[in-house]
Amino acid sequence: AQTVTQSQPEMSVQEAETVTLSCTYDTSENNYYLFWYKQPPSRQMILVIRQEAYKQQNATENRFSVNFQKAAKSFSLKISDSQLGDTAMYFCAFMKPGAQKLVFGQGTRLTINP
Amino acid sequence: DVKVTQSSRYLVKRTGEKVFLECVQDMDHENMFWYRQDPGLGLRLIYFSYDVKMKEKGDIPEGYSVSREKKERFSLILESASTNQTSMYLCASSPGTGGLGPLVEQYFGPGTRLTVT
Repeated sequence: AQTVTQSQPEMSVQEAETVTLSCTYDTSENNYYLFWYKQPPSRQMILVIRQEAYKQQNATENRFSVNFQKAAKSFSLKISDSQLGDTAMYFCAFMKPGAQKLVFGQGTRLTINP
Repeated sequence: DVKVTQSSRYLVKRTGEKVFLECVQDMDHENMFWYRQDPGLGLRLIYFSYDVKMKEKGDIPEGYSVSREKKERFSLILESASTNQTSMYLCASSPGTGGLGPLVEQYFGPGTRLTVT
């Protein structure tokens, strides 16, 4: 069974700083998807970024980028120029193609301070 | 935009009550999911459905059942609520059958915070 581990329960940075959230996973699959979801306070969970394991290039979405290290089974999220609106719970998740089920990590509560 | 709605944001029930949590999606998605979210545990899959009247157990199905009579609606049922079912419940939906590409994203509802006393 796949497992996803987020080792940082909470993080806090100043506005405009860069922050990196860690995620490791365990799988015997060669192809799969990885995701970062964001859950703002009292708001719906939304997809931030995703990575397909067969793609070597790291995914980027504006200020959000990932560092995908397949051999190390590591999938960290970097937020550049952090903003107050980035304050949220962030979840790392894993999916096997065809399985449709997401396996989530424990979450990291990120606070951006003014 | 995909919209996933849940019948209640907050719900308080007594031990032993039968509880229904409703979820509706408006994008004709085949797949629907129920998760529970607990601090330090992340989200855990309770049940999912890939078609009307079809369901599969997730990782923690004990104490729960589901119903999907229509494609857009997926209900989570707590047959006899217990205090250890106090949690945040999230519904999600996704299109497709799991192929590669843009079909794999799950869209989440706002959640129902259930308290069982």
